[in-house]
Amino acid sequence: DAGITQSPRHKVTETGTPVTLRCHQTENHRYMYWYRQDPGHGLRLIHYSYGVKDTDKGEVSDGYSVSRSKTEDFLLTLESATSSQTSVYFCAISLTNGPYEQYFGPGTRLTVT
Amino acid sequence: KNEVEQSPQNLTAQEGEFITINCSYSVGISALHWLQQHPGGGIVSLFMLSSGKKKHGRLIATINIQEKHSSLHITASHPRDSAVYICAVGKGGATNKLIFGTGTLLAVQP
Repeated sequence: DAGITQSPRHKVTETGTPVTLRCHQTENHRYMYWYRQDPGHGLRLIHYSYGVKDTDKGEVSDGYSVSRSKTEDFLLTLESATSSQTSVYFCAISLTNGPYEQYFGPGTRLTVT
Repeated sequence: KNEVEQSPQNLTAQEGEFITINCSYSVGISALHWLQQHPGGGIVSLFMLSSGKKKHGRLIATINIQEKHSSLHITASHPRDSAVYICAVGKGGATNKLIFGTGTLLAVQP
């Protein structure tokens, strides 16, 4: 199994509070991704990173920011959580940008009340 | 219209049956991925293919690039195969971004 961990695994927070989710990898993969998974939707890309300090937006990036100061860590921040951000969040990693498998973390279930 | 469509959305089978899940896409791709997600569980990559056919155990994945269609087959299905099966396509380019289908929920009954 690819060495990917996410923390926390579960979180309940109140509307308006900031939340940071962490993805940590031990594989030294260059590409990292944050997705959200909601019923009726496929996994949707929030932000991705193609190297340290190199990040870009995905299709559902509004209300989210990311940072990557080290190869192994990719942080997703909800500056002011809203109920629409209640979701399961998955981190993934990929070795290259070519046709290559993505390996997924275990997911974080976030509930915003 | 979604760029990646899966059918059926839900599938119930009896143990031992041959199962087929379909995926159609409308964009040019560099590769197609099949993923498995058990209830409450993580997501595991089953196959990545860009042509032809791949086999792993009781699982077979095929792709027809001209028709923009892929199938995932499960032979001699077992209750432990019960999961959501997700099709995703990579459009290539600089970032290996994937576009995902909404998944097929498979239940295999003993």
